[in-house]
Amino acid sequence: NAGVTQTPKFQVLKTGQSMTLQCAQDMNHNSMYWYRQDPGMGLRLIYYSASEGTTDKGEVPNGYNVSRLNKREFSLRLESAAPSQTSVYFCASSAGLASPDTQYFGPGTRLTVL
Amino acid sequence: AQSVAQPEDQVNVAEGNPLTVKCTYSVSGNPYLFWYVQYPNRGLQFLLKYITGDNLVKGSYGFEAEFNKSQTSFHLKKPSALVSDSALYFCAVRAPLHSGNTPLVFGKGTRLSVIA
Repeated sequence: NAGVTQTPKFQVLKTGQSMTLQCAQDMNHNSMYWYRQDPGMGLRLIYYSASEGTTDKGEVPNGYNVSRLNKREFSLRLESAAPSQTSVYFCASSAGLASPDTQYFGPGTRLTVL
Repeated sequence: AQSVAQPEDQVNVAEGNPLTVKCTYSVSGNPYLFWYVQYPNRGLQFLLKYITGDNLVKGSYGFEAEFNKSQTSFHLKKPSALVSDSALYFCAVRAPLHSGNTPLVFGKGTRLSVIA
């Protein structure tokens, strides 16, 4: 039982390049989330998926797109990376937003945009 | 909309002393409250949560937190700090389910340093 896994662990991009961050969970959770963590800013929600087939914007969605590929996988795409997107990205999952359940986090992806 | 504040960026405590990491929240209705811990270069780990019932919640690694509705607080405590408790701690809040199925909102985090 791996929990929440994220790939890659590290990535360096040049401004304007695109990339997709992958996330998968093996806990049969309905809801999945993407956060970014910046020093002094805490965790800010980018997008979330309450259930398979739905996605919603969070606090900081600009410059990102997401795809809930199936119940297990939720990817985050940067179409044209900018230095302001340098951050640590965390994926999380929970049983469902319809209950006050715990979110479980992946190990993170450290992204640098030059 | 819900929000959470962690008024201290950094808390320093001597090993063996009690520790407190503060959290206050703002939400309409009865909140769901969580504490997470993050060790260097790791993801967040769940510590404890308050949903309903007893105001004192016990969690992992000897941590506990007290829900105080009148003060809108949910401070994290431990009777005797260990050097290994040094980490970044996040408080998070969710609005009641009848307010809509909204995700967690996190505070900015408090860095705890336990000195030997």
